[in-house]
Amino acid sequence: AQSVTQLDSQVPVFEEAPVELRCNYSSSVSVYLFWYVQYPNQGLQLLLKYLSGSTLVESINGFEAEFNKSQTSFHLRKPSVHISDTAEYFCAVSNDYKLSFGAGTTVTVRA
Amino acid sequence: DAGVTQSPTHLIKTRGQQVTLRCSPKSGHDTVSWYQQALGQGPQFIFQYYEEEERQRGNFPDRFSGHQFPNYSSELNVNALLLGDSALYLCASSPEGGARGGELFFGEGSRLTVL
Repeated sequence: AQSVTQLDSQVPVFEEAPVELRCNYSSSVSVYLFWYVQYPNQGLQLLLKYLSGSTLVESINGFEAEFNKSQTSFHLRKPSVHISDTAEYFCAVSNDYKLSFGAGTTVTVRA
Repeated sequence: DAGVTQSPTHLIKTRGQQVTLRCSPKSGHDTVSWYQQALGQGPQFIFQYYEEEERQRGNFPDRFSGHQFPNYSSELNVNALLLGDSALYLCASSPEGGARGGELFFGEGSRLTVL
């Protein structure tokens, strides 16, 4: 069985400040890891993913996440956030045909 | 290129009624998954359809059933609605290989309210 724990339910942050969203997973087998973002009143969009290879993965809008097998973590970071990054962020794990999601972290960026 | 489309966007039902939600996958995708997202929670996997068959099912009762048509579109049916079925129902599509790698394309969801 797989599960995902997102350690922060809400993260308020000022514009241009850095942000880190923490995600830990549990799985007895190799996994694929993902971060999805859900903007207000929209569906989920894939932000980035780790399937294999380099443990540091990046998105096109400045987010990055690092897969740490020994700590079973996949934390998401951005060095400088924008107002438009206000959204809910979900960490997810898959080693089969389904995704198991965490409960989500709401990021609110303030000017 | 249309993405994943779902209908209806909002609906209100009463306890004991039945509901059907519809989903059209992104062009070129043949696999459809359904998720339930309760308020303040992450999406929970209901089931996945591939080649018109239910390939995998999450921990949901038999009141939840589905169907996939030859054009890959899909329906989610919920019978004997309970108050706890109130949620956002998300449809996600992927090419068959993408389903294992988890890269899903989500619709905007159908928000069901059960009174």
